[in-house]
Parts: sequence; C-alpha cells; structure tokens
Amino acid sequence: ETGVTQTPRHLVMGMTNKKSLKCEQHLGHNAMYWYKQSAKKPLELMFVYNFKEQTENNSVPSRFSPECPNSSHLFLHLHTLQPEDSALYLCASSQGRLASYEQYFGPGTRLTVT
Amino acid sequence: DQQVKQNSPSLSVQEGRISILNCDYTNSMFDYFLWYKKYPAEGPTFLISISSIKDKNEDGRFTVFLNKSAKHLSLHIVPSQPGDSAVYFCAASAFTGNNRKLIWGLGTSLAVNP
Repeated sequence: ETGVTQTPRHLVMGMTNKKSLKCEQHLGHNAMYWYKQSAKKPLELMFVYNFKEQTENNSVPSRFSPECPNSSHLFLHLHTLQPEDSALYLCASSQGRLASYEQYFGPGTRLTVT
Repeated sequence: DQQVKQNSPSLSVQEGRISILNCDYTNSMFDYFLWYKKYPAEGPTFLISISSIKDKNEDGRFTVFLNKSAKHLSLHIVPSQPGDSAVYFCAASAFTGNNRKLIWGLGTSLAVNP
C-alpha cells in the first residue's frame, strides 16, 4: 500500500450508532489531519496531529472524537451524529506543519447519517 | 465570510488552449498559497504552490501568478489536456496564534474538451 488510505469508503449510520473512520499513511509523515467537506462548502479542517499530539481542534463538536495512536494511523470515532454531519471526511498527512509541506490526501469516507 | 474565493464554479476549455483559474483572498496575512487538483472519488492532490515573496512559480505546464496588491492569484495551464479535467482548489495559509491555518476555496470544475 502506498500513500494515504481510508476505510471505509462509504458509511451509512443511524443517529444512535457508534462507528469509527480509519486513516493510514505509508509516507513516513509526522502530521495528520481530518477534514470535512460538505456540499457547497469549502474544506473545513477539524483536527491536526503532529508527532501523535493533537495540536488543533477547530471547535469540532464532541460527538467527533479523534485518536492518533502513532504517526501512521489516525481514527475518527463517531457517536450520536446528526443528519447535518453527513459529508465527505478526508484524511491527510504531511511531512511537517510548515506551509511548504504539501498535504497528501486519502480518497475520503462518504458518510451519511440517517 | 469566505476568505478564499473561487468565483467561477466551472470552466470549459478546448484541448491545447490555455486554462486560467482564478482565486481571490481577503486576508493580507496569508503568506503561502497552494493549488490542489481533485478527481472524482479521489482526495485532492497537490499541484503547485507559491510563497508571498514571489509573484510567479512555474512547473511544467502549470504556472501560478500572485498579485499581492490585488489579493489575487491565478493558475495557468498551457496547453490544456483532457486529463486536466478535474476540480481545482485554491488554498491559502497564514499563521494564527501558534498554529498555521490553511483556508480553502470552494473549487472550480475544469472541463477540457478534446
């Protein structure tokens, strides 16, 4: 496997379910990100991890809970979501946190909350 | 209020001609700008970037121009090829507090017709 992988690619869940999104990067990067892309809205940064430490939480509701056990893996735990949380969730990684470090994205998980 | 604006949701160009994608920004603190390309069912991929200390950066068929006084940047693709058909995102970066933020535009969908 190369690059950034995300599983599952599609997820349908009820508002009372608990599920997790998984991201894995095989690039030796130190920083990992969760983004949300809703229809007709720009990409929104949710969380940033640098060397496994969370460095940013952009006012994300607590029903989204990230976990970064090591520099290669990132999870997004979901519980009691709302229909407006339906979106494309993208994971990305970069060598570091400088602007010049380009981010490499996974294909995303298309989440539908019913 | 969008800090990074891509005012053209779509653009159609003939193969071999020049594609010009535009991006405007409002925050004068942005000091690094990036363009990403996204194919359907894939995550965005980095294309080209430019620092605010430059006004032009070129990489093969892709050139980015930055006009700081107008708070405007543009991506030129010449010659355009059918494989360039994708959504193009402009992103701008600035330090806020202790962190570096990356703000994204909504994207412009480019169609290159054979």
